[in-house]
Amino acid sequence: AQKITQTQPGMFVQEKEAVTLDCTYDTSDQSYGLFWYKQPSSGEMIFLIYQGSYDEQNATEGRYSLNFQKARKSANLVISASQLGDSAMYFCAMREGSFGNEKLTFGTGTRLTIIP
Amino acid sequence: DTAVSQTPKYLVTQMGNDKSIKCEQNLGHDTMYWYKQDSKKFLKIMFSYNNKELIINETVPNRFSPKSPDKAHLNLHINSLELGDSAVYFCASSQVGASGRDEQYFGPGTRLTVT
Repeated sequence: AQKITQTQPGMFVQEKEAVTLDCTYDTSDQSYGLFWYKQPSSGEMIFLIYQGSYDEQNATEGRYSLNFQKARKSANLVISASQLGDSAMYFCAMREGSFGNEKLTFGTGTRLTIIP
Repeated sequence: DTAVSQTPKYLVTQMGNDKSIKCEQNLGHDTMYWYKQDSKKFLKIMFSYNNKELIINETVPNRFSPKSPDKAHLNLHINSLELGDSAVYFCASSQVGASGRDEQYFGPGTRLTVT
C-alpha cells in the first residue's frame, strides 16, 4: 500500500482563490511527522509546513495551513489567497523512524497552476 | 550563506563513467540524506547518514557509494554509470528540534544526464 497518496495529479485555480491539496497517509507508528514541500519550475525543494502526529492544533505558516485529521489519516494543505507564484509541484511527505533514523516518504505530487 | 549546497548543478556524462556529486551543509545538522527524483518527479530516499554513520541504505545498487568525511559533508560517488541513473539527485539535512520538529532542508539538486 502507498504510504503517502496524493490523488490530484494536477489542479487549476483562479488567482486569489483558496486551494486545498489532498494528502492521505498510512502508518502504524504513533509518532510521525507530516510535511509539505513546494517545487517550482526552477527545481529546488522548499519546505512549507510541518505537522507532528501529537500536535493538537493544525499547523499554520502565513498563507499555508495544514488541515490535519488524524483519525482519517489526512493532512491536506490549504493555500489561502493564491498567487501566480504559487504555481508549482507540491509534495506531501511523511517522516517515520526515531532519532537519527528518520526518512521521508514522498507522495507523487500535485502540479498546481494558478490562472490569472 | 547557502544552507545546503551541491556541486555540480549539472552533470552530463557517458555510460560506464564514474562521477561524484558533493554536498555540504552549514546548518550544523547531524543527519544528511541523498534522494533521487526520477523523470516523473517521484522522490525516493537513497541514503541517510547521522554523524558520519550510515543509517539508511534503501536497496540502492552498490555502484552508488556515499561518503561522509565529516558531519557537514555527504558525497555521492557513482561507478559505471547507466542510462537509468539519469535523474535529479538531491542532498538534504535535518536536525530534531526541541519541539520534535525536524524538517529536512534540501540542496538545489544535481541534474545527472547519462548518454
